[in-house]
Amino acid sequence: NAGVTQTPKFQVLKTGQSMTLQCAQDMNHEYMSWYRQDPGMGLRLIHYSVGAGITDQGEVPNGYNVSRSTTEDFPLRLLSAAPSQTSVYFCASRPGGSGNNEQFFGPGTRLTVL
Amino acid sequence: DAKTTQPTSMDCAEGRAANLPCNHSTISGNEYVYWYRQIHSQGPQYIIHGLKNNETNEMASLIITEDRKSSTLILPHATLRDTAVYYCIVRGNAGNMLTFGGGTRLMVKP
Repeated sequence: NAGVTQTPKFQVLKTGQSMTLQCAQDMNHEYMSWYRQDPGMGLRLIHYSVGAGITDQGEVPNGYNVSRSTTEDFPLRLLSAAPSQTSVYFCASRPGGSGNNEQFFGPGTRLTVL
Repeated sequence: DAKTTQPTSMDCAEGRAANLPCNHSTISGNEYVYWYRQIHSQGPQYIIHGLKNNETNEMASLIITEDRKSSTLILPHATLRDTAVYYCIVRGNAGNMLTFGGGTRLMVKP
């Protein structure tokens, strides 16, 4: 299994540009989520999904859109990039249901907005 | 979710036990204590979790006080590769994702 994969690893955008960060998992996990991590800070939840077709907002959703058309994929869209969105973005997944909440994280996408 | 309090940083000598404390005085009865770590810009890695009993796995031990208001993560023989930021998270098992605080930056020194 590849686990959780993210593309691209690095990206530089200009203010106002849009882009999509890709996230995929091959573990058949129901739950997927996106976090951002600013320098020296902990992770903050952007959006999450508890299954295909179901998404919800996290702590810092403004400026981001998500959709979940398949179990495997959970892309994060930046609508109009701003310098405040310069951050490292992590995607994570976990099995559904109650029980172990162990999440598996991807390697991250490092985004710079100029 | 209950809030957690951790020291900002700690040092540990290589080969010695690293004991990382976490305070979660507002934890409710159905909330678990989870520990994750993040090694230099990588994605966080799950370590261990528990409800009220002490837990041990191949990576670490988790000691939860009887009143559940605090816990300690123990790395029995710390190595240089254990240098990382360690996050203590309290969370129920259903629904939303984890909420990360600032964590403890553990520096293992030779």
